[in-house]
Amino acid sequence: GAVVSQHPSRVICKSGTSVKIECRSLDFQATTMFWYRQFPKKSLMLMATSNEGSKATYEQGVEKDKFLINHASLTLSTLTVTSAHPEDSSFYICSALAGGNTGELFFGEGSRLTVL
Amino acid sequence: AQKITQTQPGMFVQEKEAVTLDCTYDTSDQSYGLFWYKQPSSGEMIFLIYQGSYDEQNATEGRYSLNFQKARKSANLVISASQLGDSAMYFCAWGKLIFGQGTELSVKP
Repeated sequence: GAVVSQHPSRVICKSGTSVKIECRSLDFQATTMFWYRQFPKKSLMLMATSNEGSKATYEQGVEKDKFLINHASLTLSTLTVTSAHPEDSSFYICSALAGGNTGELFFGEGSRLTVL
Repeated sequence: AQKITQTQPGMFVQEKEAVTLDCTYDTSDQSYGLFWYKQPSSGEMIFLIYQGSYDEQNATEGRYSLNFQKARKSANLVISASQLGDSAMYFCAWGKLIFGQGTELSVKP
């Protein structure tokens, strides 16, 4: 099946720094990718929809200046957590849509961010 | 508003027995379907099974099957012959964006 890779899988940073997380579709092109945030033993909360070549669409309550999303190519979307604070510590997961809007959704392995 | 509800935060099952995980959906958009995912402690989301909203027959995939009841708007996941490796969080999701709260399944030896 299709593969989506996230990097890094774990990252620890100091408060106030910025962290970039990459989401790559390895064997298919994805015009649409999604970014989720998940707290321990909780559901996935959609943060934003990333569209190749255009601005991301953010869900209500998600600060777009805080969570910068860039989808510069058909195989790569990045999430940058700017000026990170301890409350930004979480598990971030991306998914990529294969085959257009009715295609199958493939998930990355997730990235665990810890802000000290 | 669209909503997916999983009412069982945690479930226990004996190894080799069957278990049913509940999921109800309340959505106005019938163009999608319902997905079930497994998330082990490592964190990755593993696709298990899909039921289209217009599908009449219950979906099956190996040991996984869906008990899809349109009138009740429920799509319960049945795992037969549970294995220790089935211990994980299980999420149902509508379309590609709306996830339920999850059920933590623990399989006892």
